[in-house]
Amino acid sequence: QQPVQSPQAVILREGEDAVINCSSSKALYSVHWYRQKHGEAPVFLMILLKGGEQKGHEKISASFNEKKQQSSLYLTASQLSYSGTYFCGTRRNNNDMRFGAGTRLTVKP
Amino acid sequence: NAGVTQTPKFQVLKTGQSMTLQCAQDMNHEYMSWYRQDPGMGLRLIHYSVGAGITDQGEVPNGYNVSRSTTEDFPLRLLSAAPSQTSVYFCASSYKASGSMAGELFFGEGSRLTVL
Repeated sequence: QQPVQSPQAVILREGEDAVINCSSSKALYSVHWYRQKHGEAPVFLMILLKGGEQKGHEKISASFNEKKQQSSLYLTASQLSYSGTYFCGTRRNNNDMRFGAGTRLTVKP
Repeated sequence: NAGVTQTPKFQVLKTGQSMTLQCAQDMNHEYMSWYRQDPGMGLRLIHYSVGAGITDQGEVPNGYNVSRSTTEDFPLRLLSAAPSQTSVYFCASSYKASGSMAGELFFGEGSRLTVL
């Protein structure tokens, strides 16, 4: 029941864009995105509910296609501070949150 | 406002020992959960609770027990530690368990457990 994330790892130069994908085989109520820096706890970025509305957080935005049970995280004009591991978390109606295996993003100067 | 507090931050156990990881939140959150994080496997759900007196199993519950006697506390018990339980454990909570108010998860700082 874990969502599937792709790619597993991305290496970017500052200013480049990236897309991280998350998909599930089950119908979803919501998709969450978190970022985790090495040795720290995951930090919430945004939540997307059923309805396909796109959310934004500075230069990071995301979409949710509930028909395909897919979500994508868009990072534009990446900064060094964007480096970390990104996790999508999915919630179905049974309340618990399941996370993907993560995408390691490295932004180089 | 402390948020989610986990103790201890580090622990070394011998195989067969038991211990309890403590988790407390001061945000009056309804939903609380425990995850373990292993390299390359992301965060895997162990147990969760949608309110005091209510708990349920996640993806990897074997070898762990939980209880939720109060809204604030959600301890995780390792009954007989095994080397396979060496991991980083995170406690997380959110305001609501379901519906449109089922918002972001707030994580504790993590507890690094080593079982020899």
